[in-house]
Amino acid sequence: GEDVEQSLFLSVREGDSSVINCTYTDSSSTYLYWYKQEPGAGLQLLTYIFSNMDMKQDQRLTVLLNKKDKHLSLRIADTQTGDSAIYFCAESFNYGQNFVFGPGTRLSVLP
Amino acid sequence: DAMVIQNPRYQVTQFGKPVTLSCSQTLNHNVMYWYQQKSSQAPKLLFHYYDKDFNNEADTPDNFQSRRPNTSFCFLDIRSPGLGDAAMYLCATSSWDRASSYEQYFGPGTRLTVT
Repeated sequence: GEDVEQSLFLSVREGDSSVINCTYTDSSSTYLYWYKQEPGAGLQLLTYIFSNMDMKQDQRLTVLLNKKDKHLSLRIADTQTGDSAIYFCAESFNYGQNFVFGPGTRLSVLP
Repeated sequence: DAMVIQNPRYQVTQFGKPVTLSCSQTLNHNVMYWYQQKSSQAPKLLFHYYDKDFNNEADTPDNFQSRRPNTSFCFLDIRSPGLGDAAMYLCATSSWDRASSYEQYFGPGTRLTVT
C-alpha cells in the first residue's frame, strides 16, 4: 500500500539551512505537499509540487523532487526559531481521493 | 479571508456523553474531511464528504458519525466517547476539479478531553 516515510527529528542552529527529507512509495502520486504544524494548531500548507517538476522555490523554501528515487525534500534557508514545528510530507493520487501523510519531522532550532 | 473554522477550540466531555464538533468553511470547497490526531502522530483520516457523498475509512469506529447539511458546514458526532478518543480533531477542505492541485486546507482543530 501507500507509504510515506520521514526522519522523526532534526536539530539545526539558527541561521543555518534545514533540510527535511521524505520518501514515498506510490509512483502514481500527482502532487506532493509540505505542511507545518505548530504546537496546538492545525496544519498549515507551506508549499506543494506537481509530480512532473523537479524543483520549486518560494522565498526561503526550496522543494526538490527526485521522482526516480521517490524522494522529496524541503530546504529552509536561514532557519529561524519561529520555524520550530513539526513538518509533514504528504502525497495525493487518484485525483485527490487518496491523500497520505508521513509521520512528521520535528524540527528544533537552537539559538 | 477565506478560511476553515472549527468550534469549539477546546471541548471537555464525560466518558460516554455524546459530543458534537463543528466545522465551517468559506472556501466553497466541495470536499470536507475529518481527521483525528493524537500526540506526536500524523493525522488519521476518519471520513470525508465529496459534496453530499459520504466516504468512511474502513477502520473508523462506528462510534464516530458525521453530517454535512450543506456545502459550508460539517459536523463530527462522537456517540459514546471513551478515554481513547481524547485527541485533536482536525477539519480540512479541498477542491476536487480538473484544475485542482488537491491541497487540503486545515482548520485550527478542536482539542477533545474525555474525563
